[in-house]
Amino acid sequence: SQQGEEDPQALSIQEGENATMNCSYKTSINNLQWYRQNSGRGLVHLILIRSNEREKHSGRLRVTLDTSKKSSSLLITASRAADTASYFCATDGGTALIFGKGTTLSVSS
Amino acid sequence: DAGVIQSPRHEVTEMGQEVTLRCKPISGHDYLFWYRQTMMRGLELLIYFNNNVPIDDSGMPEDRFSAKMPNASFSTLKIQPSEPRDSAVYFCASISGTANTEAFFGQGTRLTVV
Repeated sequence: SQQGEEDPQALSIQEGENATMNCSYKTSINNLQWYRQNSGRGLVHLILIRSNEREKHSGRLRVTLDTSKKSSSLLITASRAADTASYFCATDGGTALIFGKGTTLSVSS
Repeated sequence: DAGVIQSPRHEVTEMGQEVTLRCKPISGHDYLFWYRQTMMRGLELLIYFNNNVPIDDSGMPEDRFSAKMPNASFSTLKIQPSEPRDSAVYFCASISGTANTEAFFGQGTRLTVV
């Protein structure tokens, strides 16, 4: 079963613009993670935010978490063509990581 | 460390044949996960191991699927007999520490059953 659901399913922007992706989940969590997947490759961990944190930054990435709404957002600022990939949120669901279906981001130059 | 290593990268087989996918986790990692990715269903957790012991196999779709982890450095996912609907990309991932921290993924095995 899938715990997290990303929104939108697809996003197309121009280089330099910001990209925002959202994730909603169903049950309580210990932490929430975001991963990136380039076409034909494995997933790569981007950032982890714990349930007692509200916001976290890493380079051009900003993640927020609202446990009352069971939602998270990933903001990529000043996007680049190299950011083109699929982005997934993952929740721990109590034990193993459960992934959503992802948001496909296309950044055109 | 070379990361999580999966083999083969691509596998094409005929329906009814046995398929074995292999995974070498990162040395020292306690957890190993098998996921399956399709366009329709996204990334599904099939099974995971902790210290070589299967913990949760509720995601294994049918009895045709089986997974083993004979030692800390090797795991297999076997499909016997294979069917066209098994076509997908299968990923192995490993984690150090607790099961809900950063996962390291292999490059995946793209399986096509014709």
